[in-house]
Amino acid sequence: QSVLTQPPSVSAAPGQKVTISCAGSSFNIEHNYVSWYQQLPGTAPKLLIYDNNKRPSGIPDRFSGSKSGTSATLGITGLQTGDEADYYCGTWDSSLSAVVFGGGTKLTVL
Amino acid sequence: QITLKESGPTLVKPSQTLTLTCTFSGFSVTTSGEGVGWIRQPPGKALEWLALISWNDDKRYNPSLKKRLTITKDTYKDQVVLTLTNMDPVDTATYYCAHFRDGYDSPLDYWGQGTLVTVSS
Repeated sequence: QSVLTQPPSVSAAPGQKVTISCAGSSFNIEHNYVSWYQQLPGTAPKLLIYDNNKRPSGIPDRFSGSKSGTSATLGITGLQTGDEADYYCGTWDSSLSAVVFGGGTKLTVL
Repeated sequence: QITLKESGPTLVKPSQTLTLTCTFSGFSVTTSGEGVGWIRQPPGKALEWLALISWNDDKRYNPSLKKRLTITKDTYKDQVVLTLTNMDPVDTATYYCAHFRDGYDSPLDYWGQGTLVTVSS
């Protein structure tokens, strides 16, 4: 049981938009920065979004992040088959004094 | 350019202690703000954070595994070592180390390729 709650799967057609939610609490998301990671099949996770809504160099602006209260959202526009991956949210939990991740969301581009 | 690479045994027996080494380059773990974390992922399952160590030797552990985990750094070798005692088959996972900078809620911005550890007799 993950501290952060994500939908197990989402799907959409190529070219469409999808959002992935990450629900937490006042101990984690509300008062700490959220990061998002993309894990392509058979590879290590890769940082996609940090500080709630910033993109590292090289990440296309099709990927966006937002946060409101105790929840965060990853948005992906102009879906491509290459976006098929598992996506994880992560942040610091001040109560646990630990990094926490969501359970991951598998994105299928139909 | 920051790189990290995990190394250690691929197979351990139940009850044994696992020792993993993260060898990195492109930063120093003695520089203010720098740090290294360990994360694992059982086959087909989600990421699970294990521990982190900061430049000032501050250490944090996953509460559910705290009694079994130890993280240390060797500043001369640019390495961070993780030990996990009393290994069990449920500890079978790919173990990753990752870099972070400036705070516990800062992103894990560079990851190693991971190393698969299987626990079996």
